[in-house]
Amino acid sequence: ETGVTQSPTHLIKTRGQQVTLRCSSQSGHNTVSWYQQALGQGPQFIFQYYREEENGRGNFPPRFSGLQFPNYSSELNVNALELDDSALYLCASSFSGVQETQYFGPGTRLLVL
Amino acid sequence: AQRVTQPEKLLSVFKGAPVELKCNYSYSGSPELFWYVQYSRQRLQLLLRHISRESIKGFTADLNKGETSFHLKKPFAQEEDSAMYYCALKRREYGNKLVFGAGTILRVKS
Repeated sequence: ETGVTQSPTHLIKTRGQQVTLRCSSQSGHNTVSWYQQALGQGPQFIFQYYREEENGRGNFPPRFSGLQFPNYSSELNVNALELDDSALYLCASSFSGVQETQYFGPGTRLLVL
Repeated sequence: AQRVTQPEKLLSVFKGAPVELKCNYSYSGSPELFWYVQYSRQRLQLLLRHISRESIKGFTADLNKGETSFHLKKPFAQEEDSAMYYCALKRREYGNKLVFGAGTILRVKS
């Protein structure tokens, strides 16, 4: 069984640029959630995708968008990057159900200069 | 709005001492609570969930709805317990999102 993987591991961008982060779900999972973790804080929910549809969104602006593909892998896109977008971005996959457990990837660390 | 509070940023104990990591929550519905742990250089992983009522690595946590708390306890700390611990609450109405606390670093000294 393959765990959740994310790419790239690190990324440096400048203000105003766009970035795409990728996540491969754990085998058998149909749901992907994305979280932003700023330094010294707990992860904050960005959004979740279930069967290729957005299934809930946190308090993030529309320049944060996502996709889920038929193989349940996912992308997080951030447009018009701001300095405050510098953070660790975590992807978590799960199988939707009563006792759903989210399994986290190692994260992508984004630095915006 | 839902919120998870972990009042201690750092908890330092000696090996063999009891551990209690505090977690309080605010949520109007019926909560589902979790503890996640992140060991050094490893990814975030589930430690335990309140509905399972299980003990994992000697840790237990009881949901106290009256005090809106879900404290994590272990009677005898071990050095390998040193890690970052996050308490989290699940909200089913918003895509099963997890709301995390800020985390507590547990440091077990020999």
